Amino acid sequence: GQNIDQPTEMTATEGAIVQINCTYQTSGFNGLFWYQQHAGEAPTFLSYNVLDGLEEKGRFSSFLSRSKGYSYLLLKELQMKDSASYLCAVGRGGYNKLIFGAGTRLAVHP
Amino acid sequence: SQTIHQWPATLVQPVGSPLSLECTVEGTSNPNLYWYRQAAGRGLQLLFYSVGIGQISSEVPQNLSASRPQDRQFILSSKKLLLSDSGFYLCAWSGGQDNSPLHFGNGTRLTVT
Repeated sequence: GQNIDQPTEMTATEGAIVQINCTYQTSGFNGLFWYQQHAGEAPTFLSYNVLDGLEEKGRFSSFLSRSKGYSYLLLKELQMKDSASYLCAVGRGGYNKLIFGAGTRLAVHP
Repeated sequence: SQTIHQWPATLVQPVGSPLSLECTVEGTSNPNLYWYRQAAGRGLQLLFYSVGIGQISSEVPQNLSASRPQDRQFILSSKKLLLSDSGFYLCAWSGGQDNSPLHFGNGTRLTVT
């Protein structure tokens, strides 16, 4: 079977750095995706990792360790607009089937 | 550029009524298409995916069905809605390669009363 775990909620201060962790157990791993979802809206794609290591995209970075079944999303220089849910998703098997975690709700405070 | 349209945005339906949600994609050919459902406070659950016209794969047994009558059209249906069908329904497309991200439509919030 598959299992994806991430913290339910996190809080952080504007301008700070926050790390959102994700652990997974799945068969047929085809990469790990991070999405951002504001309340009531559709998820939007943030990052993709298929090899071990760090991928950086502006203020956002994502890390993957396949041997540990572990990923994290790092958000730097937090802004109020970063308050949202962050979804960890694992590509399983073929056809880009993504299995999503329940998401981490991040609240950024002034 | 590619766009995905999904409608309606919100829907309130009585138990036992039928359902039809439509999704269309523009700007790409032969996309993979997906229907996900998000229950309140829970993760996205994959319901159906399609890799071509008339090709539908179901991920979970349920009260819903899907059809793909045209390359860029994906429809989610039910003959008789249940209370448990309430949720946020999201259509998505991808380019087909394993590293292609899913791009989501704006979603339909369905309330079954």
